[in-house]
This record gives sequence, C-alpha cells and structure tokens, in this order.
Amino acid sequence: QITLKESGPTLVKPTQTLTLTCTISGFSLSTNGVGVGWIRQPPGKAPEWLALIYWDDDRRYSPSLKTRLTITKDSSKNQVVLTMTNMDPVDTATYFCAHRPVHYSSHFDQWGQGTLVTVSS
Amino acid sequence: DIQMTQSPSSLSASVGDRVTITCRASQSISDYLNWYQQKPGKAPNLLIYAASNLQSGVPSRFSGSGSGTDFTLTISSLQPEDFATYYCQQTYSTPLAFGPGTKVDIK
Repeated sequence: QITLKESGPTLVKPTQTLTLTCTISGFSLSTNGVGVGWIRQPPGKAPEWLALIYWDDDRRYSPSLKTRLTITKDSSKNQVVLTMTNMDPVDTATYFCAHRPVHYSSHFDQWGQGTLVTVSS
Repeated sequence: DIQMTQSPSSLSASVGDRVTITCRASQSISDYLNWYQQKPGKAPNLLIYAASNLQSGVPSRFSGSGSGTDFTLTISSLQPEDFATYYCQQTYSTPLAFGPGTKVDIK
C-alpha cells in the first residue's frame, strides 16, 4: 500500500524559506520510472503543480517558480524534500506530495493528505 | 505553456443523471490527460489517466474519452458520493497544468 505524508511548518513569515518533507512508504524512490511530485492548492482555487523528481534524480520545476524551488530526494530515508524561498502571503496554500507511477502519462495516483501552510507576519 | 480550460465551471444535477464535463487544451496533448475528483478538505483522487483508463478501484460509471485537444469525463449515473469538484490535468509537457475545475452539486 502506497502512502505519502507531508510535514513541515504551518506558519511562515514573509521572505522566509519553506521546507516541506514528504515521507513515503509502499514504494521505493529507486524504482525505475517512479517519481514524486509536489502540488499546491490555495484556498478555493485549483491545484498548481510545482515540481517533480524522478527515480534517476531528474528534476522538473514549474517555470514560474523555478528560481524559488528546489526538490531533492533521500532514497535511504524514503523522503522527498521541497524548499521554496522568499515566501509571500500569496503562497498560502495546502501543499501536497503525490506518487508518479511507472507509466508514460505521468499522472499522480496516490496523494498525501496535504499540509496547510500560511504565510503571514 | 499549455493552458487548460473546463466547461461548465459548475453544474447542478440529480442522482441518476448522466453528467458530462469537457476539458480543452490550448494545443495538442495526445492522450496525456488525467481526471481527478476532489471533495472538500481532501486531496484530489485520480479517476482517469491517459484520457480513457479507469484507475483501479474507481467505479465503472466514470469514463473518459478524447485525444488531441478535446476531452470528456462522463458519469453515467450520478450517485450521492459523486458531488464534488472535478479537475483535468495535462501531463504532456511541463508545467503539468490543471484545469480550473468543475463543481458538481445537487439540484
């Protein structure tokens, strides 16, 4: 059974750096074709894809946020970490991590429960 | 970047109704189109991947079709648990954009 769980601060101040951790179980980050993505969703709005890291450490970022994002993985710890610099109140959202299965279409078939991050001074 | 649109943005329907939601991409995405259902306070749940493939565990009343730029999600007989918001997502190229959503509520 694949599970993912996000963890990190619930409140950050403007200009601070956000660090979120996704802890996975039920699959390996070393399996050929597997990936983990981060998606956020501001209150009342549609999801927004942020970043994706593949089993081979290939990384993809949303172009609009690329300068602020870093995604890394630690296969031995079963964790994927997302950092976002220079946080702003508009970054207030629920942040999800999700499993990308071994399939050409890159969909997300399992999601974490999400963690709400509020940006406020 | 590929832009996704959905129509309608919301609809009211009754239990047992056939419901169709449309998603359009700003350029051809072949069959790299997925559908998710989301209920309040929950993560999106994958329904359909690669345009027409039913995700394991999803009821067969859900179906997807289309290719290129135009796609459809159909619920053949709406059930009480289907009242939710539905999002399409293209995975043809990054950024992996989601549509704005279609909210299905009770008539």
